[in-house]
This record gives sequence, structure tokens and C-alpha cells, in this order.
Amino acid sequence: GAVVSQHPSRVICKSGTSVKIECRSLDFQATTMFWYRQFPKQSLMLMATSNEGSKATYEQGVEKDKFLINHASLTLSTLTVTSAHPEDSSFYICSSLRGTYNEQFFGPGTRLTVL
Amino acid sequence: SQQGEEDPQALSIQEGENATMNCSYKTSINNLQWYRQNSGRGLVHLILIRSNEREKHSGRLRVTLDTSKKSSSLLITASRAADTASYFCATGISGAGSYQLTFGKGTKLSVIP
Repeated sequence: GAVVSQHPSRVICKSGTSVKIECRSLDFQATTMFWYRQFPKQSLMLMATSNEGSKATYEQGVEKDKFLINHASLTLSTLTVTSAHPEDSSFYICSSLRGTYNEQFFGPGTRLTVL
Repeated sequence: SQQGEEDPQALSIQEGENATMNCSYKTSINNLQWYRQNSGRGLVHLILIRSNEREKHSGRLRVTLDTSKKSSSLLITASRAADTASYFCATGISGAGSYQLTFGKGTKLSVIP
């Protein structure tokens, strides 16, 4: 399958700091990428759809100003958690959409811990 | 509410046995995908089945789709301890230039050596 990378894989930060997570589609260009959040022992919840060259589409209940998404190129989308608080601690997973059959390929995830 | 609902929530079997997991959904879909997630790790794409397909195979995996019943099943034959993981179904819906994948809650499979 296709390869999607995320960086960093794990981050621990103090409350109030901002954290940037990168998602890269390594072997195909992705006009659409997705960001998900997964709390322990729960399923993935879609946060936003990241569209190359345009504004991201956020799901209901996800704060746009809190979770800044930039999809500046066909292989890179970034999620910035601004002014992180302990309740933002979660596993953040991105995916890239490959258009032939709308298959999604997921990154390995980034575990964010806010102290 | 979530689109996909897996059944059972947890399944424990002996190595060598077959494991069957079911997924039901509520609205029309374009495709349905199954993923595996080992504890604390990312998702691994297993199979995509399109809405006009009824069955697909990949190695020891067999996926069926019944759009009239809005349900899918994932069968793992001759299970191995390494198959222990959570399995998620996800429904893909396209429309008006958008595409969305919605996950179920998952089935936690434990294969006992």
C-alpha cells in the first residue's frame, strides 16, 4: 500500500504551547488529506478535511482557530494545535486520499500529551 | 451517531479458528473499507470493497458486502496470534466534490496461541 508519514510520532508539551504535526504522502500526490483524533479505546473521529490550495473543511464541534490546518502542497498537510491544553491530549492521525477508488492511506499517528 | 457499527465489540478465539466480524451502516455508501489497528499504532488498510461488489478476497481475508441489508462482514481464516488487533470498518461516501470516511467503533480481536 501507499506510504504516509507523520512527524513527530510523539510530543509532550506544556499547556499553552502550540504544536505542529506534519503529514506527508510519500508516493502519491494527494489533493485531499484528512485529520482524525482518537481517544484511548475509542474509534477515530474525523476532525477536518484538508484540501490542497484551499481552506480546510472542519467537522462540527472542531474549533477552526484551535486546530489550524495548512495543505500547501500535494504531499504535505500540517495540523497545528494552538495553545494546547491537557484535554487536547490524544492520538492524531492523518490520511491521504488516493483517487482511483477513494482509498485512504493512514499515517502512523502522533501521540500528543499536554502537561 | 457513527455510520458504521461493528459486531461483536470483542472477540476471543483460539489460534487456527476463523474470526468473523460484522459491520452495519445506515446510509448509502460508495465503498466500505476495513482497517486493522494494533494497540497504540496507526491504521493498516486491509480491503476496500465498492458498493457494486459483493465479495473480495485478500490472502486469509474475505470481505462481503450486502447493500440491501447495509452490512458487511470480515472473515479471517486460520487465525494467528499476530492477528490480535482492533478491526474497524469505515464507510466512504462521495458527494458534491467531497469525500468522507466514517469509522465504526471497532471489534477487538484476541487470538489465543
